[in-house]
Amino acid sequence: DTAVSQTPKYLVTQMGNDKSIKCEQNLGHDTMYWYKQDSKKFLKIMFSYNNKELIINETVPNRFSPKSPDKAHLNLHINSLELGDSAVYFCASSHMGTGELFFGEGSRLTVL
Amino acid sequence: AQSVSQHNHHVILSEAASLELGCNYSYGGTVNLFWYVQYPGQHLQLLLKYFSGDPLVKGIKGFEAEFIKSKFSFNLRKPSVQWSDTAEYFCAVNAPGGYNKLIFGAGTRLAVHP
Repeated sequence: DTAVSQTPKYLVTQMGNDKSIKCEQNLGHDTMYWYKQDSKKFLKIMFSYNNKELIINETVPNRFSPKSPDKAHLNLHINSLELGDSAVYFCASSHMGTGELFFGEGSRLTVL
Repeated sequence: AQSVSQHNHHVILSEAASLELGCNYSYGGTVNLFWYVQYPGQHLQLLLKYFSGDPLVKGIKGFEAEFIKSKFSFNLRKPSVQWSDTAEYFCAVNAPGGYNKLIFGAGTRLAVHP
């Protein structure tokens, strides 16, 4: 059983389109995250939710909107995609306060 | 603000060579420290972590790391690397008890040649 699963794994789309990435965890964790990994492999946190409440919101364009329908799911919707949004987006989960994050396999977004 | 520096961006070794990857962090308080590994085309996996106690931490696959508080360092070591250790290695830090905001270093790409 995959602990943190993301769909889709690959996404190729045109500039200006809107797309979503979904994430689900079956670890019973109460906190979920979105990280962006750029072409140089640098990982930067974007958002975090704890029990469906937004707790971390880094400096991210408001074209990015996360949604957490329940504590096992965290989705990421991106409006008006730009070339610079091309990256691998990783979902992760953890128990609040433990420090250890469990990552999904990533969703590679390519904007043409 | 917390930050993490990994000095070696790209390391090339032959099998059986010893490995040490540098990691320094910038944060004035107590921290949790982590090393994650990302094998080609895969997700990040935890290698080892330090929360408190013995500053020498042993992880999976023969890796270990030493926390030196006075140097704000958490270097990763392995006495003898294998070809299968070829991967990207990330050092990370967060403040305990907080929102688990894990701050990553830029990563070190390790290539091990047979």
